[in-house]
Amino acid sequence: DIVMTQSPDSLAVSLGERATINCKSSQSVLYSSTNKNYLAWYQQKPGQPPKLLIYWASTRESGVPDRLSGSGSGTDFTLTISSLQAEDVAVYYCQQYYSTPYSFGQGTKLEIK
Amino acid sequence: QVQLQESGPGLVKPSEPLSLICTVSGDSIGSYYWSWIRQPPGKGLEWIGYISNSEITSYNPSLKSRVTISADTSKNQFSLKVTSVTAADTAVYYCARDKIGSIPFFDYWGQGTLVTVSS
Repeated sequence: DIVMTQSPDSLAVSLGERATINCKSSQSVLYSSTNKNYLAWYQQKPGQPPKLLIYWASTRESGVPDRLSGSGSGTDFTLTISSLQAEDVAVYYCQQYYSTPYSFGQGTKLEIK
Repeated sequence: QVQLQESGPGLVKPSEPLSLICTVSGDSIGSYYWSWIRQPPGKGLEWIGYISNSEITSYNPSLKSRVTISADTSKNQFSLKVTSVTAADTAVYYCARDKIGSIPFFDYWGQGTLVTVSS
């Protein structure tokens, strides 16, 4: 099974500043035949279901602000919020869909400093 | 607009089965793969399994012996059954659509339903 580990567990950033969340997979999620990383990012606000932000590690879902971006390849990935807004306060999860059982990171709680 | 809605009992006794239904509107369940995901209170997300548009299923091995996912295309619903539940099965259960066929990441989610296992 692929284990997804996020860091940090929690993060406090000032409004307008950059926030960076890391996700590491226990084995590569880069599928050689497609040259795509099977990695997604979600945002979850209290009392709500997760919302898909990013897939293929760096493809933004429709409607997601361009201040959110995903990067990385193989086993190391990053979600970056370039200029933190109040509405970005949430828990963020990465998820691998390279192989079953499809697994999520433990989550990173993002707050305002 | 695709919408998913979970329904079922909010309280289940230990050792009894847990049964939930996901009703889909705005899309045909025959067009996509559909998953169940759960989240224990205050914890992270766990993929339970999916059913394909041709009713092929795949389950998380951690639950595989206790889980069944099935579909009723006439009602545009799919369902989850977990047998022999314990307190560890207490969670918010979500149904979700796999955005791209057999590649399960999830673009539409239900609001979730809390199932508590307690006597």
